[in-house]
Amino acid sequence: TQLLEQSPQFLSIQEGENLTVYCNSSSVFSSLQWYRQEPGEGPVLLVTVVTGGEVKKLKRLTFQFGDARKDSSLHITAAQPGDTGLYLCAGEDTNAGKSTFGDGTTLTVKP
Amino acid sequence: GAVVSQHPSRVICKSGTSVKIECRSLDFQATTMFWYRQFPKQSLMLMATSNEGSKATYEQGVEKDKFLINHASLTLSTLTVTSAHPEDSSFYICSARDLEGNTIYFGEGSWLTVV
Repeated sequence: TQLLEQSPQFLSIQEGENLTVYCNSSSVFSSLQWYRQEPGEGPVLLVTVVTGGEVKKLKRLTFQFGDARKDSSLHITAAQPGDTGLYLCAGEDTNAGKSTFGDGTTLTVKP
Repeated sequence: GAVVSQHPSRVICKSGTSVKIECRSLDFQATTMFWYRQFPKQSLMLMATSNEGSKATYEQGVEKDKFLINHASLTLSTLTVTSAHPEDSSFYICSARDLEGNTIYFGEGSWLTVV
C-alpha cells in the first residue's frame, strides 16, 4: 500500500503570513493532485502535477513536484482568511488505477 | 466543468435499516468511480473502486457485504449501507474518472447519520 505523509497536520497563522504544506512518500506516483476541502463539501481540485521537478503557480499558491515524483509541496503566499480549509494531497498510481490521499492539513488563517 | 452529483446530501436512518447513496456523473461518462469515507477533520479513506459492469474492488478492511456497490451504467454508481449502525455515521464521498482517464471529479458528499 502506498502511503502519503502530509505535514503539518494543523496550521494556524495570521493573515498575510506565508506557509508551506508538505506531502511525502517513499513511493513514486504517476501524478499528484492537491485539493482543498471545506467542511461538509467534497474536495475541489487545485492542481495536478505530473512531471518530476514541475512547478505550477495558481495566483498565491505555488505547487512543486519532487524530481523523483515521491513528494510535493504547496506554498501559499500572503495567506488570507478565505484560504482556510482542509488541504489534501493525493498521489495517483496509474497501474493500480486509484489514488492515495495524504492525512490532510487543516489550515486556519486568522484575520 | 464536469459535475459529479451525490444524492441524498444528508440522510438520517434508523439502526438496522439500509440506505442507498447515489453518485452520478452529470455531463460525462465514467468507467471508474471511487467511494470514500471521511470522518471529521480527517482525510478521505478509500472504501472501494467501482468499475462499470463489473464487481467493485474493496479496500482491505471494508466489508463488501455491508457496503454494497453497484455501477450499472457509465453515469451512475450506488453505495448501499446495509443494516446500518451508529458507527457507520460518516461523510461519504464519491469521485468519478472520465473516460479519457485524465481527471477525477469529486461529488459534494453525503452525510449519513444512523440513530
